[in-house]
Amino acid sequence: AQTVTQSQPEMSVQEAETVTLSCTYDTSESDYYLFWYKQPPSRQMILVIRQEAYKQQNATENRFSVNFQKAAKSFSLKISDSQLGDAAMYFCAYTGDNAGNMLTFGGGTRLMVKP
Amino acid sequence: EADIYQTPRYLVIGTGKKITLECSQTMGHDKMYWYQQDPGMELHLIHYSYGVNSTEKGDLSSESTVSRIRTEHFPLTLESARPSHTSQYLCASSEEGAYLHGGYTFGSGTRLTVV
Repeated sequence: AQTVTQSQPEMSVQEAETVTLSCTYDTSESDYYLFWYKQPPSRQMILVIRQEAYKQQNATENRFSVNFQKAAKSFSLKISDSQLGDAAMYFCAYTGDNAGNMLTFGGGTRLMVKP
Repeated sequence: EADIYQTPRYLVIGTGKKITLECSQTMGHDKMYWYQQDPGMELHLIHYSYGVNSTEKGDLSSESTVSRIRTEHFPLTLESARPSHTSQYLCASSEEGAYLHGGYTFGSGTRLTVV
């Protein structure tokens, strides 16, 4: 079974600075997809960024980018120029060919942004 | 606007009461999911459905039940609420090949408190 681990329960960053959230996963599949979701306080969880395992190029969405290290099974999220609105729970998630659409989530990282 | 709706957002109810948490989506997604989210914010899959008349239990054992009579509707029922059921419940949906798109679409959640 696949597992997703987020080793940082909480992180904090100064506004306008850069922060990196860590995620590692365990799988025997060769083709899979990785996601980062953001859950603001009392608000809907939304997709931040997605990475296909067969793509070597790291995904980027505006201030959000990933560092995907397939051999190391690592998928970290970098947030540049942090804003107060980035404060939220961040979840790393995995799905593979055999998962039938099912996402496996990590335990989450709470990001605090200091003004 | 395509979305997924959960009602109520907040519910405080006495022990022993029967409750139904509503979840509806307007996107025509076949696949729907219920997650229980602990105070520590980790997500636990409790039920899922791959289509009408299809329901399965998730990784976390739950005393709740679900039904899927219509594609757009996936309600969760607790026959007799207990304080241990106090939690946040998140509903999500996905289309076939969700990994090719945005993964899941989440509702805003229902925060249930049983007193």
